[in-house]
Amino acid sequence: DTGVSQDPRHKITKRGQNVTFRCDPISEHNRLYWYRQTLGQGPEFLTYFQNEAQLEKSRLLSDRFSAERPKGSFSTLEIQRTEQGDSAMYLCASTLTSGGSYEQYFGPGTRLTVT
Amino acid sequence: DAKTTQPPSMDCAEGRAANLPCNHSTISGNEYVYWYRQIHSQGPQYIIHGLKNNETNEMASLIITEDRKSSTLILPHATLRDTAVYYCIVRVDSGANNLFFGTGTRLTVIP
Repeated sequence: DTGVSQDPRHKITKRGQNVTFRCDPISEHNRLYWYRQTLGQGPEFLTYFQNEAQLEKSRLLSDRFSAERPKGSFSTLEIQRTEQGDSAMYLCASTLTSGGSYEQYFGPGTRLTVT
Repeated sequence: DAKTTQPPSMDCAEGRAANLPCNHSTISGNEYVYWYRQIHSQGPQYIIHGLKNNETNEMASLIITEDRKSSTLILPHATLRDTAVYYCIVRVDSGANNLFFGTGTRLTVIP
């Protein structure tokens, strides 16, 4: 257990529905990342936050994807009008950028299945 | 960020050292070498990182060649719980610091 939690761990939804995932980072970590991982591939970076500011979102896969971190603590990732191609593991990671160490601590992921 | 090349799979006998190679011939002077691993159905786990010098921690050792074009992660006494996909990543420690994962090396520790 890294201290990063994600909820839910599994989500099955029908095509066209909206889904929202939550990530709770390690409490003092100021930076939070979202990744997506499809079968047989390494995780793919989507977006990240420095405190509550979303500093990079150009790699979000489409405008159906959005993320928030309203108070600089937990974050949510929403996918609107889900498609079968959205089926994947969605991973969250956090890090503390002060102190010169940048290792990221990952949560267990949310596995999304779109039917 | 520079790209890395890793063998797709390796086997290692339990109790023996596992040596996982990584090629990063286009690495820049300010890019670090990071290693993560991912055990089945879990999120990636940080192992170790280094810039120029060899590094050792409680999990592993990292050997970086003098020209920095390649590195080797060493698990000194592999156990069955070390069976995982190992990712070698190079990046600068500034800016976004997001990780670009390749497909990694699938290490299987054999009893």
